Amino acid sequence: EVQLVESGGDLVRPGGSLRISCAASGFTFSKEWMNWVRQAPGKGLEWIGRIKSRSDGGAADYAAPVKGRFTISRDDSRNTLYLQMNSLKTEDTAVYYCAIDVIRGQGTLVTVSS
Amino acid sequence: DIVMTQSPASLAVSLGARATINCRSSQSVLFSSNNKNYFAWYQQKPGQPPKVIVSWASARESGVPDRFSGSGSGTDFTLTISSLQAEDVALYYCQQYYSTPWRFGQGTKVEI
Repeated sequence: EVQLVESGGDLVRPGGSLRISCAASGFTFSKEWMNWVRQAPGKGLEWIGRIKSRSDGGAADYAAPVKGRFTISRDDSRNTLYLQMNSLKTEDTAVYYCAIDVIRGQGTLVTVSS
Repeated sequence: DIVMTQSPASLAVSLGARATINCRSSQSVLFSSNNKNYFAWYQQKPGQPPKVIVSWASARESGVPDRFSGSGSGTDFTLTISSLQAEDVALYYCQQYYSTPWRFGQGTKVEI
């Protein structure tokens, strides 16, 4: 059974940085292209980026609101996906989910506030 | 980018009655090489993460009651709740995962 467990969410000041993680199990993580999706409080779901498998080049691409500030990486030896978030803004406040194709995790809450 | 248009925005249905939610994508999400629609439906209740109830347009997830069914192909999709129960009150979202950026519908609020 596919399991994706997000962690690392925290309260961060505007302009600050945070790295969140997604621990994967139940499938061959190294073969999958992985995505991050977020949901701001009271809002809809927003795709923010994807990283390809290493065998497909390992490149990442991002949605416009986070491009240049967020970086997706992966550690296939640890079956873990990461999202490094820099220059955080209050509008980045959201629950963040990782996903292969559909959201299956509980998410981790990132709050950006002074 | 593929645009998802979900309707209606809200829906009030009597207990035991049928509820129907529609979603249209601006481009086909049917992958011809495997004949699969890269399309899903979610249910979200207050304070909870979205729960996928249908993937691949019509494959009901394990544990989801059979009163929920997904149908459609290409660009037009429907989620049907055949006999609405009190516990089905929630927000429902559609999603395409055919290509990035993934897009989600705006949501449909289902009430009794």
